[in-house]
Amino acid sequence: QSALTQPASVSGSPGQSITISCTGTSSDVGSYNLVSWYQQHPGKAPQVMIYEGSKRPSGISNRFSGSKSVNTASLTISGLQAEDEATYYCCSYAGTNTWVFGGGTKVTVL
Amino acid sequence: QVQLVQSGGEVKKPGASVKVSCKASGYTFSSYSITWVRQAPGQGLEWMGRISAYDGNTNYAQKFQGRVTMTTDSSTSTAYMELRSLRFDDTAVYYCARVSGYSGYDFAYWGQGALVTVAS
Repeated sequence: QSALTQPASVSGSPGQSITISCTGTSSDVGSYNLVSWYQQHPGKAPQVMIYEGSKRPSGISNRFSGSKSVNTASLTISGLQAEDEATYYCCSYAGTNTWVFGGGTKVTVL
Repeated sequence: QVQLVQSGGEVKKPGASVKVSCKASGYTFSSYSITWVRQAPGQGLEWMGRISAYDGNTNYAQKFQGRVTMTTDSSTSTAYMELRSLRFDDTAVYYCARVSGYSGYDFAYWGQGALVTVAS
């Protein structure tokens, strides 16, 4: 149950697009299309932005999109806005009612 | 609306135990499992385990096996997480979370977190 691998930080200018990768193994990301992505602002609880790899919950901007290729999931934020500055975590179902999180990626809007 | 309200922060000595509660409302408690996630200061999220509120079945992360116990009380719609033999590096915010109703594999609802500080 090793943590999924995410880059520590990603930055972009307002209006640009950025992509955050999340690399797991054939036992988690690669086995299930059940990766979710969470946005967390300092001192706040996480909020789900993407579930089941690419689906957006009601109320989440369509600027957020998710995808997966083999053992790596990705979150893309298009039209970057100041309010997107936060830490983002991926999370994958890993079978037998267990989950694993990524280490988190701090997004900075320049 | 779904709400998860957790107990307050606690300060414990190394070797002690802590029990954090998570009171659910706004839905049928037995219909969804409760998951526990922790976050050490300045660190990432860590999945600790989950408990079925229907039958009490538990699944724990290997790291916490033998040291954690998750329980529920259906009469009060409350879930509990007890962590024993506390160490300094157990200092963290402990969150309870519930999966969404549309997927079952993402955590759509979160408690406000409970800070557990382990200090001598």
